[in-house]
Amino acid sequence: EDQVTQSPEALRLQEGESSSLNCSYTVSGLRGLFWYRQDPGKGPEFLFTLYSAGEEKEKERLKATLTKKESFLHITAPKPEDSATYLCAVRTNTGFQKLVFGTGTRLLVSP
Amino acid sequence: EAQVTQNPRYLITVTGKKLTVTCSQNMNHEYMSWYRQDPGLGLRQIYYSMNVEVTDKGDVPEGYKVSRKEKRNFPLILESPSPNQTSLYFCASSPDRGDGYTFGSGTRLTVV
Repeated sequence: EDQVTQSPEALRLQEGESSSLNCSYTVSGLRGLFWYRQDPGKGPEFLFTLYSAGEEKEKERLKATLTKKESFLHITAPKPEDSATYLCAVRTNTGFQKLVFGTGTRLLVSP
Repeated sequence: EAQVTQNPRYLITVTGKKLTVTCSQNMNHEYMSWYRQDPGLGLRQIYYSMNVEVTDKGDVPEGYKVSRKEKRNFPLILESPSPNQTSLYFCASSPDRGDGYTFGSGTRLTVV
């Protein structure tokens, strides 16, 4: 069974304090790993897609990396507006039209 | 503005009273999907559609129906809602099967 596990469940940072969120996966053939940001009361907002081990993507203070077993979302010098829940999802060989989501990491960045 | 629009945003209904949640996208996307989000369980797929008149079940299809008569619309139908269908629902669309989904703003449904 395809599984996605995110850690930590919650993370509190001071503004400027860099850190990383983890997404580990067990799937039968990875066809893409996706990172989303979700603000309270809103739908997930697409951030990145990674397709193969070694791939990296960057956007502002965020950088996503991928290995064969996990992905990291690195947040450099975060600001309070980066506070949100970050969701990881995978698309696999067995469910190509389905995204299997993790339960997310709630990030709070304090000024 | 490119977007996925869901209506209503909030809905409280009673057990057994049929309801429809509408979803429309203006990006000419072929792929559309419905998800429900519950605390501790994450987002789970209910149904998806690869094109007009082509739909299939996701992980949790019981108690739901969908239709795709037009490319832009993908309504979610609950024929006889039950309290365990109380959840936050999201519609999403994608231009291609390898791309990330664009999500709507969600519909919070409460069944009493």
